[in-house]
Amino acid sequence: DAKTTQPPSMDCAEGRAANLPCNHSTISGNEYVYWYRQIHSQGPQYIIHGLKNNETNEMASLIITEDRKSSTLILPHATLRDTAVYYCIVRVLGATNKLIFGTGTLLAVQP
Amino acid sequence: GAVVSQHPSWVICKSGTSVKIECRSLDFQATTMFWYRQFPKQSLMLMATSNEGSKATYEQGVEKDKFLINHASLTLSTLTVTSAHPEDSSFYICSADDRQRNIQYFGAGTRLSVL
Repeated sequence: DAKTTQPPSMDCAEGRAANLPCNHSTISGNEYVYWYRQIHSQGPQYIIHGLKNNETNEMASLIITEDRKSSTLILPHATLRDTAVYYCIVRVLGATNKLIFGTGTLLAVQP
Repeated sequence: GAVVSQHPSWVICKSGTSVKIECRSLDFQATTMFWYRQFPKQSLMLMATSNEGSKATYEQGVEKDKFLINHASLTLSTLTVTSAHPEDSSFYICSADDRQRNIQYFGAGTRLSVL
């Protein structure tokens, strides 16, 4: 699977939008971009995924650049409960469907 | 989202004993489940891929005789840590692959402490 690069940490003010970037410059045409988050001492929580179109659900929006080499996860109105490590993962849907986790971004939402 | 139940959430055992962790997909069938390990302040490390009705596939460096995986049904995979030692103390997390939604859902994790 292609590797991803994320900033190690970010701060965001409560109530503001949190924009988390991810670089995946070696992504292949059949690889999807997935976002998960992990709140301390819990299992990862699925947020959203996409291939090339922008996606939105009740949790977040995913913006993928036209060349697919980077993406941004947007939490529209961050709350203190959104403080977590956010992982951007690229994944081929196929026989193994493995998710390989990088180091992620620690998002700290400040009151 | 779909629910994956992992049990127990926390276990303490003596060195040399074996510990079994269960992972269940509650509202979908999972041909494939995965087991991860996470040490403090580190990311998740994939240990093995559990395939229903067949042998698990282990990642490089993971001892298959120490970490026994059984995936006997489409909703249950178990990880047994055999002859546990203090260095096996870690946070173990399972996930189940929902192929209809193309999403992997994770359990809440099991914190293992070996004394």
